[in-house]
Amino acid sequence: DAKTTQPNSMESNEEEPVHLPCNHSTISGTDYIHWYRQLPSQGPEYVIHGLTSNVNNRMASLAIAEDRKSSTLILHRATLRDAAVYYCILRDVRDDKIIFGKGTRLHILP
Amino acid sequence: SAVISQKPSRDICQRGTSLTIQCQVDSQVTMMFWYRQQPGQSLTLIATANQGSEATYESGFVIDKFPISRPNLTFSTLTVSNMSPEDSSIYLCSVEVGRGQGPQHFGDGTRLSIL
Repeated sequence: DAKTTQPNSMESNEEEPVHLPCNHSTISGTDYIHWYRQLPSQGPEYVIHGLTSNVNNRMASLAIAEDRKSSTLILHRATLRDAAVYYCILRDVRDDKIIFGKGTRLHILP
Repeated sequence: SAVISQKPSRDICQRGTSLTIQCQVDSQVTMMFWYRQQPGQSLTLIATANQGSEATYESGFVIDKFPISRPNLTFSTLTVSNMSPEDSSIYLCSVEVGRGQGPQHFGDGTRLSIL
């Protein structure tokens, strides 16, 4: 499986945008980029995914570099509820499995 | 979307015993997955369970230790056998609704402690 690299932890102030980076230099043409997050004492929840183009949904935006070797998850206005571990995952289009890395623990400061 | 319920939500067990964890989904799904999350760690995939076929186990996990049943499209069980303190973890099931890069939905897990 192609690997992703994320910072172990990040901090952000409440009501400010948050940019969570992810490097995936060995990404293949059949890998989609998925983001999940895990709130305390809960199972992971899907955030967003994309292939080449930037994506937006009600939770977040996903900005994908032109060479696809990195991506950034953008939370437009962080709230305390966004404090979680965020996982950047590469998922092959031919595969049903999701393999989790270590993720980034996001702290939101009031 | 899918709503997943796991039972039990937590348990404390004696070493050497076995525990069966249930995962119930509110809709029919083809793919179900079982994960383990050790304290302070990320999730590790144990196996993929398709209805009507044997579960497919990841490297490091074997059927004798983690037998899985998948009797229908809405239900699966994972048994943790002959437990030791090293099996103390959160066990989570997830499902994929539809096929092809669809999001996976996770239960909130079973928190298992072995004495």
